Amino acid sequence: DQQVKQNSPSLSVQEGRISILNCDYTNSMFDYFLWYKKYPAEGPTFLISISSIKDKNEDGRFTVFLNKSAKHLSLHIVPSQPGDSAVYFCAASAIVQGAQKLVFGQGTRLTINP
Amino acid sequence: KAGVTQTPRYLIKTRGQQVTLSCSPISGHRSVSWYQQTPGQGLQFLFEYFSETQRNKGNFPGRFSGRQFSNSRSEMNVSTLELGDSALYLCASSLNVFSYNEQFFGPGTRLTVL
Repeated sequence: DQQVKQNSPSLSVQEGRISILNCDYTNSMFDYFLWYKKYPAEGPTFLISISSIKDKNEDGRFTVFLNKSAKHLSLHIVPSQPGDSAVYFCAASAIVQGAQKLVFGQGTRLTINP
Repeated sequence: KAGVTQTPRYLIKTRGQQVTLSCSPISGHRSVSWYQQTPGQGLQFLFEYFSETQRNKGNFPGRFSGRQFSNSRSEMNVSTLELGDSALYLCASSLNVFSYNEQFFGPGTRLTVL
């Protein structure tokens, strides 16, 4: 049962254009969402997060949008740069029976073409 | 400040064997989490330790176990290895439990089970 889904395994975008990575979730208990970026041979690094009480959070070139009614979040990268080529994971967390539950999506490989 | 270190980086085992992976968190961090990354499944949460106590556990069989020492270093053990245990095992540390937006990952241990 995949509670957090990233339906696009890969995405290719031209340098300078907008990259949009999507993530869907099924559990309405999730109240905090995060995006991580992973380069080969390195561990994931935290990129940006959003609480369920917000619908948008911005940090420089990165913006995360949350649509709670659709159980959907997206990460926008504008403008895209070659260094953004990596695998991006979305994750969702919730407190379930007193314990924090953190669930990751399968990841989307983003390639920025010069 | 040194990052999260994991040893060994690569490991080859055969079915039925057991394996122990090690994780040294960032100095001062007391929470250590373990994840399994496989193609198509993304990152799956194994367990989280804080102050030598397991605070949270994912949905993995009892063959997967862990512990944390008084210096916050953590080990993960997998007994009776199966082919499906081949994966990248990541550990992450943070100052406190549930601080997922302040979680730093190590480079991982690539386990291959033959």
